[in-house]
Amino acid sequence: TQLLEQSPQFLSIQEGENLTVYCNSSSVFSSLQWYRQEPGEGPVLLVTVVTGGEVKKLKRLTFQFGDARKDSSLHITAAQPGDTGLYLCAGMNYGGATNKLIFGTGTLLAVQP
Amino acid sequence: ETGVTQTPRHLVMGMTNKKSLKCEQHLGHNAMYWYKQSAKKPLELMFVYSLEERVENNSVPSRFSPECPNSSHLFLHLHTLQPEDSALYLCASSQRWFDEQFFGPGTRLTVL
Repeated sequence: TQLLEQSPQFLSIQEGENLTVYCNSSSVFSSLQWYRQEPGEGPVLLVTVVTGGEVKKLKRLTFQFGDARKDSSLHITAAQPGDTGLYLCAGMNYGGATNKLIFGTGTLLAVQP
Repeated sequence: ETGVTQTPRHLVMGMTNKKSLKCEQHLGHNAMYWYKQSAKKPLELMFVYSLEERVENNSVPSRFSPECPNSSHLFLHLHTLQPEDSALYLCASSQRWFDEQFFGPGTRLTVL
């Protein structure tokens, strides 16, 4: 069974601080996605990384896929209250009839003004 | 309406009730999904429909019964549920099976 462990589970920080969320697995994934879910809403895709070692930037958010494609990180610079939400990583394996998207355990972020 | 819509947004039901959750996507996608989101557990895939055919059923109890009458609509019929079935039920759609998924806002289900 493929598992994606995220750390930390919960994070409460002040506006302006930096933070990093980790997504780790013992399994290799074809690609990895990051989602943010706000209260009362469904997850919204932020980014997809597909190449080992790939780094993608989305304004203040920096995403990295590990060289071995088993782990990923999300770094937020100068966090703002609007960044508050549940961050989910999800690993994808393409296998024809067995395509699967495995979601991580989630990191709940609260940014205090 | 745009994106993926779900109704109702909240549902409280007794263990002997029968109810249905509805999902509609306005994106022209060909694949639709039901997920269950419980506290302290990862998002769990329940069912996948691709081109209106069920392609995945992740060992979901028979008290959950999906229906996909066309590529825009997806239902989840519920009967004889248990309190542990209380969760947020999310619908998603994608252009092709497991392309980028677009989620609806979910139905918060409480089973008494």
